[in-house]
Amino acid sequence: DAGVTQSPTHLIKTRGQHVTLRCSPISGHKSVSWYQQVLGQGPQFIFQYYEKEERGRGNFPDRFSARQFPNYSSELNVNALLLGDSALYLCASIHFGGTETQYFGPGTRLLVL
Amino acid sequence: AQSVTQLDSQVPVFEEAPVELRCNYSSSVSVYLFWYVQYPNQGLQLLLKYLSGSTLVKGINGFEAEFNKSQTSFHLRKPSVHISDTAEYFCAVSPTGNQFYFGTGTSLTVIP
Repeated sequence: DAGVTQSPTHLIKTRGQHVTLRCSPISGHKSVSWYQQVLGQGPQFIFQYYEKEERGRGNFPDRFSARQFPNYSSELNVNALLLGDSALYLCASIHFGGTETQYFGPGTRLLVL
Repeated sequence: AQSVTQLDSQVPVFEEAPVELRCNYSSSVSVYLFWYVQYPNQGLQLLLKYLSGSTLVKGINGFEAEFNKSQTSFHLRKPSVHISDTAEYFCAVSPTGNQFYFGTGTSLTVIP
């Protein structure tokens, strides 16, 4: 089975632009979470979606938004990019009622210039 | 609220020596506990987890961890490390399996 996939792998944007990151969960997993990992830090929770509904939101500004599609894939959108948004963005999928374990994708590395 | 403290930011250790990476957590509710490893320029890979039952948990690559409820700790151990164990290690807690709270990470460097 394929693991969690994310696209693109790398991205360079300039301040003020908008970015969309994509994630496909492991087959059978209905929940997706997004994390931001700034260099040298642990991942910080941004959003969790389950069955297309938002289940949790971390302490991030409204510039960050996400959605989940009927096939359980997800998009993370960031508007009005700031230099501080440069980070590795990780997507994780989880199978509730099973191991309650999050499986992470390889991440999208975003650089804002 | 939950928080995770990884007491050592960097741990150098000689090859074939034992290692312990420390993790303490704070939570007002019962939590699930996890250790993840991150190799350079990669995502996080699950090493092991504690959900319930035996407090000694065995994971991949010869790692194990022990849950100590009274000390709110979940330290990671390996009896003999290899060069390939050089990586960043993250401890995480989750009260429900929803939101995960990560520590700041411990950089393990295995010295030949």
